[in-house]
Amino acid sequence: EAGVVQSPRYKIIEKKQPVAFWCNPISGHNTLYWYLQNLGQGPELLIRYENEEAVDDSQLPKDRFSAERLKGVDSTLKIQPAELGDSAVYLCASSFGFSGGSSYNEQFFGPGTRLTVL
Amino acid sequence: AQSVTQLDSQVPVFEEAPVELRCNYSSSVSVYLFWYVQYPNQGLQLLLKYLSGSTLVKGINGFEAEFNKSQTSFHLRKPSVHISDTAEYFCAVTRRGGGYNKLIFGAGTRLAVHP
Repeated sequence: EAGVVQSPRYKIIEKKQPVAFWCNPISGHNTLYWYLQNLGQGPELLIRYENEEAVDDSQLPKDRFSAERLKGVDSTLKIQPAELGDSAVYLCASSFGFSGGSSYNEQFFGPGTRLTVL
Repeated sequence: AQSVTQLDSQVPVFEEAPVELRCNYSSSVSVYLFWYVQYPNQGLQLLLKYLSGSTLVKGINGFEAEFNKSQTSFHLRKPSVHISDTAEYFCAVTRRGGGYNKLIFGAGTRLAVHP
């Protein structure tokens, strides 16, 4: 079974340029997460989707960041314009959805996109 | 809210020696606890989890962890490490309960295994 796929794996851009990251979750997983991982820190949730609905985007800096998951499968995270402080690893994860009394569904992580903003 | 403190940012150890990576958490409610491993240039992989039951949890690659509610700790141990265990290890916590609860990660511990 294929895991979570992310592309590109590495991206170098100059500040003020736009950038986009793509994620394809594990087949059948209707919950998708985008995480930000700064150097020397653990991942922090940016946004969570249940199917095509963004159900938790409270940590997404909406002035420059946007995300979409139009058909409830793959997703794109965009930064426009990028700033020096956006240099980090952007991780995508997916899991089965939450229903009834289920309170834990394992998240499976992709390899991440390492962004360098010059 | 929950928080996680990983007490060591780096742990150097020689091959075949035992290792313990320390994790303390803070929460006013019951929690689930996890350890993830991140190899260089890869995503996170779940090593083990504590959901309920026995406080000693065994995971992949010979790792185990013990949940200590009174000390709010969830330390990760391995009796004999290999060079291939060199990686970043993250402790994580989420609130126990119905529906989705956010996964909160510690800052990570870099395990460096030397020959």
